[in-house]
Amino acid sequence: NAGVTQTPKFRVLKTGQSMTLLCAQDMNHEYMYWYRQDPGMGLRLIHYSVGEGTTAKGEVPDGYNVSRLKKQNFLLGLESAAPSQTSVYFCASRAGTRRNTIYFGEGSWLTVV
Amino acid sequence: AQRVTQPEKLLSVFKGAPVELKCNYSYSGSPELFWYVQYSRQRLQLLLRHISRESIKGFTADLNKGETSFHLKKPFAQEEDSAMYYCALSGPGAGSYQLTFGKGTKLSVIP
Repeated sequence: NAGVTQTPKFRVLKTGQSMTLLCAQDMNHEYMYWYRQDPGMGLRLIHYSVGEGTTAKGEVPDGYNVSRLKKQNFLLGLESAAPSQTSVYFCASRAGTRRNTIYFGEGSWLTVV
Repeated sequence: AQRVTQPEKLLSVFKGAPVELKCNYSYSGSPELFWYVQYSRQRLQLLLRHISRESIKGFTADLNKGETSFHLKKPFAQEEDSAMYYCALSGPGAGSYQLTFGKGTKLSVIP
C-alpha cells in the first residue's frame, strides 16, 4: 500500500517553462488537495477536489491549474513558471467523511530560476 | 473564516524539560483540531487529533473551547522530538473539509 505518491520529487525550472506535478493515491479517497509550503507561511491550499471530475480553488490558486480525470490522480500544472512558485508542494487525500485522517505525500521540491 | 495561529516560530528547550507548543484558532462552529509533525525533509504525519483524546509519543493536547486553544504538551522533551509542528483545523470550507494550517513552530531540543 503506497498511500500518496508524488512525482517528481525534485525539479528545477526556468522562468516561463511549464510542468505538471502528479499525485496518485491508492486508498480510493474522494478528496484530494494540493498545498504549498513556504518558510514562515505554513501550508497553504492551492486547489482541491471533492471527487473525480471536480476541482475548486483554495487560498492561493493563481498561476496553477489542476485536473482530476481519474479518482486516484490529481494533477497540478504550472503553465508559465515564476520564481515566486519556488516552493515545496504537498499532495494530500482523505476519504469522503469529515472524521477521516488526511494523508500526505512526501513532497515535491520545485525551484524556478 | 477559519484561522489557526501558532505564535512561536521557534521554540528551544533542553532535553528533559517540559514542552508546550501553543495553538489558538478562530472558527464559528464545532472545529476538528489536529497536530501534525514534520521531521526534516519528510512528509507531514498526523500526531494527534482532538477527538481521539490519545497520547502519541508522550504528547497530549486538550481542546479548550473557552480559550479557543489546542496547545500541544509533553512533560519531558527528547532529542528526537526536534521537528516542525503544525496545528491544523478542519471545517466544512465549502464542503471540502480541508485543513487550515498554522504557520508552524520549529521545536529544537538541546542535548
